[in-house]
Amino acid sequence: AQSVTQLDSQVPVFEEAPVELRCNYSSSVSVYLFWYVQYPNQGLQLLLKYLSGSTLVKGINGFEAEFNKSQTSFHLRKPSVHISDTAEYFCAVSDEDSGNTPLVFGKGTRLSVIA
Amino acid sequence: ETGVTQTPRHLVMGMTNKKSLKCEQHLGHNAMYWYKQSAKKPLELMFVYNFKEQTENNSVPSRFSPECPNSSHLFLHLHTLQPEDSALYLCASSRSGGMNTEAFFGQGTRLTVV
Repeated sequence: AQSVTQLDSQVPVFEEAPVELRCNYSSSVSVYLFWYVQYPNQGLQLLLKYLSGSTLVKGINGFEAEFNKSQTSFHLRKPSVHISDTAEYFCAVSDEDSGNTPLVFGKGTRLSVIA
Repeated sequence: ETGVTQTPRHLVMGMTNKKSLKCEQHLGHNAMYWYKQSAKKPLELMFVYNFKEQTENNSVPSRFSPECPNSSHLFLHLHTLQPEDSALYLCASSRSGGMNTEAFFGQGTRLTVV
């Protein structure tokens, strides 16, 4: 069974500073990896996903993530954050070998951008 | 707007009430899901439906009863809930039963049980 660990529950960062949100996963098989964002009082929106190919994945709103198989990590980064990036961010994993595996989510990281 | 619509957005109900949450998608997806999001807990998968058939029930108490009359609609019927059932209930859909493709989420129903 897969599991996802988001190492930081809260990350405060000043506006225009870079940010990295950490995600580690465990799985006995190959995986697909996702980052979702949840703005206040909203559902989840897909930021980016890794299915195969290049390990550096670019998503919406200037975010990117790098898949590192040896470290079983999929950290999310943005070089310069904006106030509007304040939200909850969820890392998720799905089993590549099964077509019927729902996503397993981490506990989330609350990003607070300070003016 | 993600294409997945949940109603109502907010619901307050007593422990003896019966209510239903509704989810609708017109994305042509075949799989639909209910998730529960409580404060300080990971998202919990509750139910999965594939082509209207329930394929997963994650040990959810029987006071939660899902219904999927067609691939576009999903309901969650609630009865005799407990205060600890207060949470944000999220509906999602995807093209197939696996979420290796993008899952689209609704905005959620904020449920408060009093």
